[in-house]
Amino acid sequence: QVQLVQSGAELKKPGASVKVSCKASGYTFTDYYINWVRQAPGRGLEWMGWIHPDSGGTDSAQNFQGRVTLTRDTSSSTAYMELSRLTSDDTAVYYCARVVALAGQEGSWYDPWGQGTLVTVSS
Amino acid sequence: DIQMTQSPSALSASVGDRVTITCRASQSISNSINWYQVKPERAPKVLIYSASTLQSGVPSRFSGSGSGTDFTLIISSLQPDDYATYFCQQSYMTPRTFGQGTKVEIK
Repeated sequence: QVQLVQSGAELKKPGASVKVSCKASGYTFTDYYINWVRQAPGRGLEWMGWIHPDSGGTDSAQNFQGRVTLTRDTSSSTAYMELSRLTSDDTAVYYCARVVALAGQEGSWYDPWGQGTLVTVSS
Repeated sequence: DIQMTQSPSALSASVGDRVTITCRASQSISNSINWYQVKPERAPKVLIYSASTLQSGVPSRFSGSGSGTDFTLIISSLQPDDYATYFCQQSYMTPRTFGQGTKVEIK
C-alpha cells in the first residue's frame, strides 16, 4: 500500500539543526510532490514547504525561508526536511505528506501522511 | 496569504449527534478545500477533498459542502471513533493554509 514512513523522534539543543526523513513506498516516488507540515503543541497545522521529487524543485513558506532545506534521494525514495537554528518555538510534530490531484477535481490534497516525527528543542 | 477561519474551536457532543464544523476563507477559493481528521499519535487522514468528495474508505456519515468562501463539514451521526480534531485546508494557492482546528470531545 502507499505509505510514508518518517524517522524517529529527535531531541535538539537551541541553535542546532535537525533532519527528518520520509521514506515513500507503494508508488512511484518521482510522480508526486511531497509537502511538509508541522503542528506545535496546542497549535494548528502549519505548512512548511514542498519538494518535487523528480526535478528537486522546492518552495517554502516565508516563515521558514533561510532556515529550511528540502531535499530528496530518488534512489531510496526518501525526502528530507532539515531545519536549522532551532529554537523552543520549533518544538513540534513534523509531518510529510504526498500531494494528490485528480483530473476533474479542484485543487489537491494530502494522502497519505507520514506518522509524524516529534522534534523537541530544549537546553 | 489566504486565511482560513474555522469554528468552533472545540465542541462537546454525544454519540449519535449531528456535528457541524464551518470554515470561511478570506477570499474565494472555488472548491479547493479539504478536511482532515487528526488523532494523537496517528497520521492525519483526509476525509473530504475538493469541498465535497468523500475519500475512499471514509464512512458516509461524513459530508462536505460549500463553494467560494464558506464551507461545512458535517458528521451526520457521531460515532466513538470520530472523537478527534478536524482541520480544513485550502489548496487554491500557495502557501497552503489550514483552519485552526476543531476538537470534538465526548459529552
